[in-house]
Amino acid sequence: GAGVSQSPSNKVTEKGKDVELRCDPISGHTALYWYRQSLGQGLEFLIYFQGNSAPDKSGLPSDRFSAERTGGSVSTLTIQRTQQEDSAVYLCASSLGRTSVYEQYFGPGTRLTVT
Amino acid sequence: KNQVEQSPQSLIILEGKNCTLQCNYTVSPFSNLRWYKQDTGRGPVSLTIMTFSENTKSNGRYTATLDADTKQSSLHITASQLSDSASYICVVSETGANNLFFGTGTRLTVIP
Repeated sequence: GAGVSQSPSNKVTEKGKDVELRCDPISGHTALYWYRQSLGQGLEFLIYFQGNSAPDKSGLPSDRFSAERTGGSVSTLTIQRTQQEDSAVYLCASSLGRTSVYEQYFGPGTRLTVT
Repeated sequence: KNQVEQSPQSLIILEGKNCTLQCNYTVSPFSNLRWYKQDTGRGPVSLTIMTFSENTKSNGRYTATLDADTKQSSLHITASQLSDSASYICVVSETGANNLFFGTGTRLTVIP
C-alpha cells in the first residue's frame, strides 16, 4: 500500500470490554511501533517489533495491553478490560529499521473512547 | 530523565507572517532530532531530521536549527500559509534505543 493504514479509525467501547486495534505497515518495513497519544500529551511509546526479534514491550502501561505481529506484517494491539483512562489516539508507525536511524511513517491513528 | 519540552504551547499568527517554535531536550546520548507536522486527525509527518553534526536543515518554507551543545532546536516557518495550521512536534532519538522521545507539540493556527 501507499502508507501505513489503521483500523478502525474510531472505536467507542464500554468500560470493561476488550478492544483490538489493527495496523497494516508499509510493505517491506521490518520495524513497527505502537504509540498512544492522550489529549494534551506527547506521544507515548508502547511497543516495538523488529523482524523476528522479541518485541520491546517496555512501554506497555499494564498487563491489560498486549500486541502481536503476525508474519512480520500486520499487527494488532489488544486492550483487555478497558478503562476510561485508556481513551486516547493509538498511532502505529513503521520503518525500514531501528528508528534512531531510519525514518518513521505514521498511520492516521485509531481514536478510542471508553465510556 | 530523558525529556523534550516545547514552547509555546500554542501560537496564532496572520497568514504571510513568519514564526519560530522552540524545543529543548535532555535526551542523552543524542542520536538525532526531528520535527514533525501533525494535522488534526492525522498521523505525524516528518519535516526535517538532524544529526549531531548538523546545525541547520531546510525543507521548503521550514528551516530547523540545532545547537547540540545547549540541547536546543528551533523550527522557523517563513511566509506562513493557512495550511500550516497544525501541531508541530519535536522528537529526539537516543543512540541505540528503540523508542523516540516526543514533545507535547506547539499548536499553530494561521489566520487570514
